[in-house]
Amino acid sequence: DAKTTQPTSMDCAEGRAANLPCNHSTISGNEYVYWYRQIHSQGPQYIIHGLKNNETNEMASLIITEDRKSSTLILPHATLRDTAVYYCILRGTGFQKLVFGTGTRLLVSP
Amino acid sequence: DVKVTQSSRYLVKRTGEKVFLECVQDMDHENMFWYRQDPGLGLRLIYFSYDVKMKEKGDIPEGYSVSREKKERFSLILESASTNQTSMYLCASSSGGQNNSPLHFGNGTRLTVT
Repeated sequence: DAKTTQPTSMDCAEGRAANLPCNHSTISGNEYVYWYRQIHSQGPQYIIHGLKNNETNEMASLIITEDRKSSTLILPHATLRDTAVYYCILRGTGFQKLVFGTGTRLLVSP
Repeated sequence: DVKVTQSSRYLVKRTGEKVFLECVQDMDHENMFWYRQDPGLGLRLIYFSYDVKMKEKGDIPEGYSVSREKKERFSLILESASTNQTSMYLCASSSGGQNNSPLHFGNGTRLTVT
């Protein structure tokens, strides 16, 4: 499975935009970029996904570079409840297998 | 909203016991998954199912089996629990047909085997 690289941790001030980067230089042409987050003691929560176009929903925006080798998840106005581990994942082949890495631990502070 | 419900949040079992972890989803999803999550190892896929009575091995199926008798329910079975199966177990579901439909997870069952 293709792999992703994320920073281990990041800090963000409450109310500011949080920009979480992800490198996926070996991404295949038909692989989607997915983002999940996991708040302590809960299951992973789906945030957003995209193939090559930028995407936006009520939670976040996803910016994918033209060569698709990297992407950025943007939380436009981070709150304390956004403190979590954020996973950038490439969709495997076959029956929708997801391979989770170790993610980025985002700490949002007052 | 999709709801994936795991029957227990916490479970303590003894070595050698048979353990059943139950998962139910309410969105008529075709695909269901069982993962385990351990510190430093991330989430690892144990088994998945793409239809009733169908199952496929994931990356770490040894010591586990599964059952999918009804579309909404996917059970993980530890035939003889061992201490190295102490972990957080996560169930997920997704709709079939579209290859880009997201997985939705339950809140997990933290199993301790003593």
